[in-house]
Amino acid sequence: EVVLTQSPAILSVSPGERATLSCRASQSVNNNLAWYQQKPGQAPRLLIYGASTRATGVPARFSGSGSGTEFTLTISSLQSEDFVVYYCQQHNNWPTWTFGQGTKVEIK
Amino acid sequence: EVQLVQSGAEVKKPGESLRISCQSSGYNFANHWIGWVRQVPGKGLEWMGIIFPDDSDAFYSPSFQGQVTLSADKSINTAYLQWSSLKASDTAMYFCARRGGPGSTLDYWGQGTLVTVSS
Repeated sequence: EVVLTQSPAILSVSPGERATLSCRASQSVNNNLAWYQQKPGQAPRLLIYGASTRATGVPARFSGSGSGTEFTLTISSLQSEDFVVYYCQQHNNWPTWTFGQGTKVEIK
Repeated sequence: EVQLVQSGAEVKKPGESLRISCQSSGYNFANHWIGWVRQVPGKGLEWMGIIFPDDSDAFYSPSFQGQVTLSADKSINTAYLQWSSLKASDTAMYFCARRGGPGSTLDYWGQGTLVTVSS
């Protein structure tokens, strides 16, 4: 099973600043890495798939990069609604997909 | 518009059985995998398994193999997650989600079903 490790667990950032979230895989997942945003009381929302492709309707301030075992989600200028939890997920090892443990972005 | 609508919250006792549902609309249900994800209150997302409604081919995460059963009825565009004997540790929010297509991942999600197991 591929283990995904997200860092940091909690990221404190000021509104308008850039946030950089990391996801490391225990083995290569090629570019089959997705990022989800989850707001309190809601289902996760797909932001990025294929490591760098934004899902439909996702604002351009969200970008993904990386391949193999190291991945990054960047939020270029944090808006108030972005201070929530983010998960990475590998969709490479079909059908045993896995999620990271999550990064909470909080207001500094 | 793609929509996945899940059944309502459930409160059960340990040892009871349960089936929750996920009804899809706005796309060809039979031709898209439906995945299930667990979220214990205050915790992260856990991959449970996935089913292909057209032929009910299903795969399970090792952590959930033998603990739950996935099924689907393509005549009514509905996928199911069921337990034969619930435990208190099954208390969680359960989400269904559609796989977008070959090579893609979970693009549309249901709103979640909260299952509470308590004596």
